[in-house]
Amino acid sequence: EAEVAQSPRYKITEKSQAVAFWCDPISGHATLYWYRQILGQGPELLVQFQDESVVDDSQLPKDRFSAERLKGVDSTLKIQPAELGDSAMYLCASSLAGDQRGNTIYFGEGSWLTVV
Amino acid sequence: GDSVTQMEGPVTLSEEAFLTINCTYTATGYPSLFWYVQYPGEGLQLLLKATKADDKGSNKGFEATYRKETTSFHLEKGSVQVSDSAVYFCARLSSGGSEKLVFGKGTKLTVNP
Repeated sequence: EAEVAQSPRYKITEKSQAVAFWCDPISGHATLYWYRQILGQGPELLVQFQDESVVDDSQLPKDRFSAERLKGVDSTLKIQPAELGDSAMYLCASSLAGDQRGNTIYFGEGSWLTVV
Repeated sequence: GDSVTQMEGPVTLSEEAFLTINCTYTATGYPSLFWYVQYPGEGLQLLLKATKADDKGSNKGFEATYRKETTSFHLEKGSVQVSDSAVYFCARLSSGGSEKLVFGKGTKLTVNP
């Protein structure tokens, strides 16, 4: 069964350092999402891509976070500089474009970030 | 705006007990509704979904019915197992065509033998 691949699974970084996460969606999925899940809470959308274009980044802290999907396939989420409050799980997800009502959004295993 | 409210946990049950986790959503349009499950240290897995009113989603003994009149999508299972211990998230697709999921805060379920 096809999966959404993410790396690294775990990352510990010092505050003020840079950190990056990578995601490879299910083949053929045009829509890619990055969610952040703080411990004990539900995931919240950071950014949504349709192919290589950003369609929603309203909740992305743009002073320190950036995301790209240059060729419309895999994606990178970067944080620079990292702050203690960024400690969370970063989830990548993907779905087929098109019929909103029928689509399923598939999630990767997540990348755990701890900022010390 | 779009939101999902689910019952607060944690929920602790004995094996073979009946499970209900309540979920209600804001009535903005007729969104597709989902239940996702998250096992310790893992990402989210789709458990079941329903795309229109009166639809019943089911999987692995879990069921949820899309109730438009009460804007609810409660998760039920007749007989839980220890292996069902996880965090369960109710979610809806947002309105406005952006096709993103809006999640509840999650309910942690622990099933004891």
